Amino acid sequence: GQQVMQIPQYQHVQEGEDFTTYCNSSTTLSNIQWYKQRPGGHPVFLIQLVKSGEVKKQKRLTFQFGEAKKNSSLHITATQTTDVGTYFCAGQGTYKYIFGTGTRLKVLA
Amino acid sequence: SQTIHQWPATLVQPVGSPLSLECTVEGTSNPNLYWYRQAAGRGLQLLFYSVGIGQISSEVPQNLSASRPQDRQFILSSKKLLLSDSGFYLCAWSHFRVGNSYGYTFGSGTRLTVV
Repeated sequence: GQQVMQIPQYQHVQEGEDFTTYCNSSTTLSNIQWYKQRPGGHPVFLIQLVKSGEVKKQKRLTFQFGEAKKNSSLHITATQTTDVGTYFCAGQGTYKYIFGTGTRLKVLA
Repeated sequence: SQTIHQWPATLVQPVGSPLSLECTVEGTSNPNLYWYRQAAGRGLQLLFYSVGIGQISSEVPQNLSASRPQDRQFILSSKKLLLSDSGFYLCAWSHFRVGNSYGYTFGSGTRLTVV
């Protein structure tokens, strides 16, 4: 079945450093979504990417969809303590999304 | 606007006891509904999803069941809880249509501890 993997599993960064998480699918995706889950909270939808090679930005966050639509990345510039949490990608299946394994980000002040 | 309600927020249940978690959605019709479970520090495991009243798809065989008695109500149940059923249970809704760019909306979750 379809699998979505994310690396790294954990990342600790100093505040102000950049952070990147990578998402890889075993199959070609029609679209991909990204979510953020704060510690103790529930996942919150961030963005959806649809087109091959698409790049979208939300303030310090840059999302990229690979040319082959099998991988994606989320890059955070100059991390802040508010960026702490787990970031999930999710690839579209039939009537459902397959969530990646998640990358837990810890930002050290 | 659409809202999703999930309760209770926390639950401590003894092994072998029954379980009923309820989720309701407001402000939309015919949503796709989902139950996920998240073990501590782990990813999201899809348990059940429903695309309509009475329609339930099970993703993982286990001692849990789901029902959708009304369009905007989704219930997760168990007749006898196991220790391994402990976790963070999340309900979510979505409209799974071409061009939808709103993703899932998750409820605030129920932390279940089976003792």
